[in-house]
Amino acid sequence: DGGITQSPKYLFRKEGQNVTLSCEQNLNHDAMYWYRQDPGQGLRLIYYSQIVNDFQKGDIAEGYSVSREKKESFPLTVTSAQKNPTAFYLCASSIDGLAGADTQYFGPGTRLTVL
Amino acid sequence: DAKTTQPPSMDCAEGRAANLPCNHSTISGNEYVYWYRQIHSQGPQYIIHGLKNNETNEMASLIITEDRKSSTLILPHATLRDTAVYYCIRSNDYKLSFGAGTTVTVRA
Repeated sequence: DGGITQSPKYLFRKEGQNVTLSCEQNLNHDAMYWYRQDPGQGLRLIYYSQIVNDFQKGDIAEGYSVSREKKESFPLTVTSAQKNPTAFYLCASSIDGLAGADTQYFGPGTRLTVL
Repeated sequence: DAKTTQPPSMDCAEGRAANLPCNHSTISGNEYVYWYRQIHSQGPQYIIHGLKNNETNEMASLIITEDRKSSTLILPHATLRDTAVYYCIRSNDYKLSFGAGTTVTVRA
């Protein structure tokens, strides 16, 4: 069963702690993405990666870090430098992330609450 | 800047067709029109996309005007499970700009 998995579905952390969100895909996609969604708003791009060992900042990368050591995995770390980390985090993947019709498919999301 | 305009909300009767409009008057020639939907607290679900021609799949139909300045997503027989926020997005690369979308409520 191919798809994108994110774990956990709900995550609680104390203020000042770093936390890592998991994203795994078995679609053999080269490109992966992280988005953030706040209540009642659309998605905003945090980071994206078009190939292993390479990634680029999106629109709101401050306070976040990523790694792409394996094609199927793209973990996101929310650091203590992120001022408003409580949000719904979504991971997506696409075939190559290049120009043209490259459809992104999304995981179920992780809801992070910082107490 | 989402670069598309959608009505904030609309209601639809169960079993009837739902027609969701989207304005993208400044779309460039190589940008595709994508539609996604998001059911509460879930990840966005891809519905359909198109460039110039009308498109149909098992979920919906996409009608793009000849000048490409607007499009309509058609859900042919809406069910209660189609209640969601629907996003119309224009893109020609990795960047998807999600706006507020249209909240569609299907009523029995």
